Amino acid sequence: DVQMTQSPSSLSASVGDRVTITCRASQDISYHLAWFQQKPGKAPKSLIYSASSLQGGVPSRFSGSGSGTDFTLTINSLQPEDFATYYCQQYTTYPLTFGGGTKVEIK
Amino acid sequence: EVQVVESGGGLVQPGGSLRLSCAASGFTFSSYWMHWVRQAPGKGLVWVSRINNDGTDTRYADSVRGRFTISRDNAKNTLYLQMSSLRVEDTALYYCVRDAAPSRLDYWGQGDLVTVSS
Repeated sequence: DVQMTQSPSSLSASVGDRVTITCRASQDISYHLAWFQQKPGKAPKSLIYSASSLQGGVPSRFSGSGSGTDFTLTINSLQPEDFATYYCQQYTTYPLTFGGGTKVEIK
Repeated sequence: EVQVVESGGGLVQPGGSLRLSCAASGFTFSSYWMHWVRQAPGKGLVWVSRINNDGTDTRYADSVRGRFTISRDNAKNTLYLQMSSLRVEDTALYYCVRDAAPSRLDYWGQGDLVTVSS
């Protein structure tokens, strides 16, 4: 199985900050990487697919980069509605696997 | 508007069975692969199973293979997950998820809670 390792597991940030979350795959997954946002009590929401493509309707302050084994999700100018847990997920091979999540909290 | 709505969850004893359903609307259901993903209380996301658009190909996580069966009825726009020999560790919120491209997850339902307890 492809192991997905996210870091950090949690972070505290202020509104307006730039936030970076990293995701590392245990083997080459090319660009088959997605990012999801999950708020408490809600279903995950797709943010980014193919490592860097923004899902329709997602604000442009969200961006993704990387390929192979190392990936990054960046949130520019963090907004109050961005406080949530973020997950990366690989879809190059089965079983599909997720990172452990990064909880973004208010400082 | 794309919608997937899960139902059928509840409390079941260890060793018991349950069938989840997922009603889809707002898109051509028969054209899309579909998945089940689960989330234990306070934990992360875990992929469970996938079915292709016509139901002829299925995949399972090792933890559920042989106990769970994914299926679909394209005439009813409905996805199913038949769960048997349930274990306490199967307790989770089960999400029905649409596949936008081979294995790329996009739209998620709100989830349905399955609790396995005596």
